[in-house]
Amino acid sequence: EVQLVESGGNLVQPGGSLRLSCSASGFIFSNYPMHWVRQAPGKGLEYVSAVSSSGDNTYYADSVKGRFTISRDNSKNTLLLQMSSLRAEDTAVYYCVRRMGGYDLWGQGTLVTVSS
Amino acid sequence: EIVLTQSPGTLSLSPGERATLSCRASQSVSSSYLAWYQQKPGQAPRLLIYGASSRATGIPDRFSGSGSGTDFTLTISRLEPEDFAVYYCQQYGSSFTFGGGTKVEIK
Repeated sequence: EVQLVESGGNLVQPGGSLRLSCSASGFIFSNYPMHWVRQAPGKGLEYVSAVSSSGDNTYYADSVKGRFTISRDNSKNTLLLQMSSLRAEDTAVYYCVRRMGGYDLWGQGTLVTVSS
Repeated sequence: EIVLTQSPGTLSLSPGERATLSCRASQSVSSSYLAWYQQKPGQAPRLLIYGASSRATGIPDRFSGSGSGTDFTLTISRLEPEDFAVYYCQQYGSSFTFGGGTKVEIK
């Protein structure tokens, strides 16, 4: 089955760190650019970060630049998002998505809550 | 950054009616790199339309997309009960941005 499964979401204090993971299966992971998209509670969608199919190129939204790091391990079909210096406004469901034109495959999401 | 403005914010319609959703960009979207997504409560979004007018795999033909430049439209020809949801447009020609969404609710 073609799917993306995120993990790693949790409650973390402001200023803390967290690493999200996304496991891909059912397709050739190394062929696709991969992105992270987030959705704050009751709000709309926001692009967070992207990585090229090879992992050589990474991109970030201004809101997370310098705090988040995206990476991938094509040998393990895994996408990662290392988040540091977390703020209350980073509270959201984080989705791992495959980019093929638009975002044609989404994970179920993992909830990150930043609160003291 | 390209800002996408969706209208209306909420659309109240009955099953069987036609829905017309608008997405306006603050500057031209290159090569019609415009997508539409449907999201139901508690679920991840689902890709409906890419390239402004191409239906994604498995999407019924009652969904259609049109437009170019700065003005884009998603049309649902006859609303089915399962179509009541929130719809987002997204441009992916210059970085990636989403519109604020249109909620299609049962009248």
